[in-house]
Amino acid sequence: DIQMTQSPSSLSASVGDRVTITCQASQDISNYLNWYQQKPGKAPKLLIYDASNLETGVPSRFSGSGSGTDFTFTISSLQPEDIATYYCQQYDNLQLTFGGGTKVEIK
Amino acid sequence: QVQLVQSGAEVKKPGASVKVSCKASGYTFTSYGISWVRQAPGQGLEWMGWISAYNGNTNYAQKLQGRVTMTTDTSTSTAYMELRSLRSDDTAVYYCARGLSVTTPIDYWGQGTLVTVSS
Repeated sequence: DIQMTQSPSSLSASVGDRVTITCQASQDISNYLNWYQQKPGKAPKLLIYDASNLETGVPSRFSGSGSGTDFTFTISSLQPEDIATYYCQQYDNLQLTFGGGTKVEIK
Repeated sequence: QVQLVQSGAEVKKPGASVKVSCKASGYTFTSYGISWVRQAPGQGLEWMGWISAYNGNTNYAQKLQGRVTMTTDTSTSTAYMELRSLRSDDTAVYYCARGLSVTTPIDYWGQGTLVTVSS
């Protein structure tokens, strides 16, 4: 299976800060990577697909970049409603895998 | 609007089986597939497998091969996930989620079903 290493596992930032999360694949996955947001007690929500495409209706402060093995997810200006856990997920092969998650908190 | 509504919480004993349902509405059921993803308490997301609602083709996570079966009923637009030989570490919230194919993004999710395995 392709392993997805996500970092950091948690972070604390102030409202308005720029937040960056990285995800590294154990092998080349081209751009077959999604980012999801999960709020406590809720199902995940798709934010970014194909590494850099913003899902319809998702605020433009969220963005993604990268290809191959190294990917980045950015919140340009952290808002209180962005408190959640964020997961990357690869879909390069027929065995999908998620990263371990990054819990984002407000400082 | 697209909705995936799952069956209610279950409590099972070790060694038993559980079958979770997921009723879809708001889109053409047979034009998409359904992935199943689970999340143990306080843990991350684990993909379990995917089924095509068009032809019933399945793709299971290697870890669960032999213990999981995914099916669909196109007459009621419902997907099912059965997990057998339950163990305590199968305790989790189980989600169904829509995906065009196994290699496309999962765009809509059900509300989740808590399955507790305890003697």
